[in-house]
Amino acid sequence: AQTVTQSQPEMSVQEAETVTLSCTYDTSESDYYLFWYKQPPSRQMILVIRQEAYKQQNATENRFSVNFQKAAKSFSLKISDSQLGDAAMYFCAYNTAGGTSYGKLTFGQGTILTVHP
Amino acid sequence: DAGVTQSPTHLIKTRGQQVTLRCSPKSGHDTVSWYQQALGQGPQFIFQYYEEEERQRGNFPDRFSGHQFPNYSSELNVNALLLGDSALYLCASSLEDVTWQVGNYGYTFGSGTRLTVV
Repeated sequence: AQTVTQSQPEMSVQEAETVTLSCTYDTSESDYYLFWYKQPPSRQMILVIRQEAYKQQNATENRFSVNFQKAAKSFSLKISDSQLGDAAMYFCAYNTAGGTSYGKLTFGQGTILTVHP
Repeated sequence: DAGVTQSPTHLIKTRGQQVTLRCSPKSGHDTVSWYQQALGQGPQFIFQYYEEEERQRGNFPDRFSGHQFPNYSSELNVNALLLGDSALYLCASSLEDVTWQVGNYGYTFGSGTRLTVV
């Protein structure tokens, strides 16, 4: 079974600064997806960024980028130029690329991000 | 284009009672997954429905059951409620063949139902 671990229960950052959230995972599969989701107080999970394991290039979405280290099974999220609206709970998640677990997301425990003005 | 709709928003039940939660998937989606999110924790996969059948199941007891209707909407039923069942229950919809192309972009989550068991 796959596991996802987020070792930072809480992080804080000053507005306009950069912050990095950490995530490690364990799997025996070679092909999979990794995600970062944001959950604001509205409770709806919002996809921030997605990484395909077979791609060596790190994914980037505007101010959000990842550092994907497949051998180390590490997947960190960097938020640049932090904004007040970035404050939320962030979850790292894993999804197999196929097979019977297809469609099941495995989430980490989450990191609460606070942005200070 | 409507997203995922869950009802009710909040619910309070007594131990031992039964509860039914409802989910309407995003327009065009045919697969529904349910997750339980305890306070301060990440969501845990309960089960997934496709073509009105349970396709996958997480590590949850048989007290948790579900149903999918021909219009793809879904219900989550929990019997003999325990205090530990108190959580946010999230529904996520997708196409059965999830891709990451425009028009079929992964999973869409609802805002959840907050269940409190007293």
